[in-house]
Amino acid sequence: DTGVSQDPRHKITKRGQNVTFRCDPISEHNRLYWYRQTLGQGPEFLTYFQNEAQLEKSRLLSDRFSAERPKGSFSTLEIQRTEQGDSAMYLCASSHSRGRGDEQFFGPGTRLTVL
Amino acid sequence: AQSVTQLGSHVSVSEGALVLLRCNYSSSVPPYLFWYVQYPNQGLQLLLKYTTGATLVKGINGFEAEFKKSETSFHLTKPSAHMSDAAEYFCAVTLKTSYDKVIFGPGTSLSVIP
Repeated sequence: DTGVSQDPRHKITKRGQNVTFRCDPISEHNRLYWYRQTLGQGPEFLTYFQNEAQLEKSRLLSDRFSAERPKGSFSTLEIQRTEQGDSAMYLCASSHSRGRGDEQFFGPGTRLTVL
Repeated sequence: AQSVTQLGSHVSVSEGALVLLRCNYSSSVPPYLFWYVQYPNQGLQLLLKYTTGATLVKGINGFEAEFKKSETSFHLTKPSAHMSDAAEYFCAVTLKTSYDKVIFGPGTSLSVIP
């Protein structure tokens, strides 16, 4: 399968613990995005990478959140000292910068539950 | 700032009936517009998109949408609903930046009644 993959698919953690999610984009895509989706809402933009450079972070991304894409391929999203409000689906997407309006391909998401 | 509104968080149609999901956007410049579908426990899949050119856009699974600049709308339609169309549908707009940051609407849940 050559689509966007995310690991793990589900994560249950206790409040205060750290969690890390991984996203593997489509191999030739140089753009990578993270979104957060809460129940009954559309996805909200968190951050964006072009190759290994993180070019924008949403105000939603507090200091407890950090994302990396060290070699311009896979990306990780870490949440430190998780809070119950962090419970959500975390979606990763990738695209190729051929031009404007390029389709973003989404992974299946990681569902985080903070107890 | 750009934003997207979707009228009706839940829509129910009978199998074989017309599907109409409404989307309105606000944008200071001509936007790129998208419809995505999300099936339970799955990621989002692109149904169709409007960038430039013809304002009536055809997508996968028999869906189409029409960009109406005067109405700032991009409603999604399908002539005949199928049970497999039951899902969450998101209208989205991209910002005119260098990297296509996507702003999603709140979504419309479509139920198809046999």
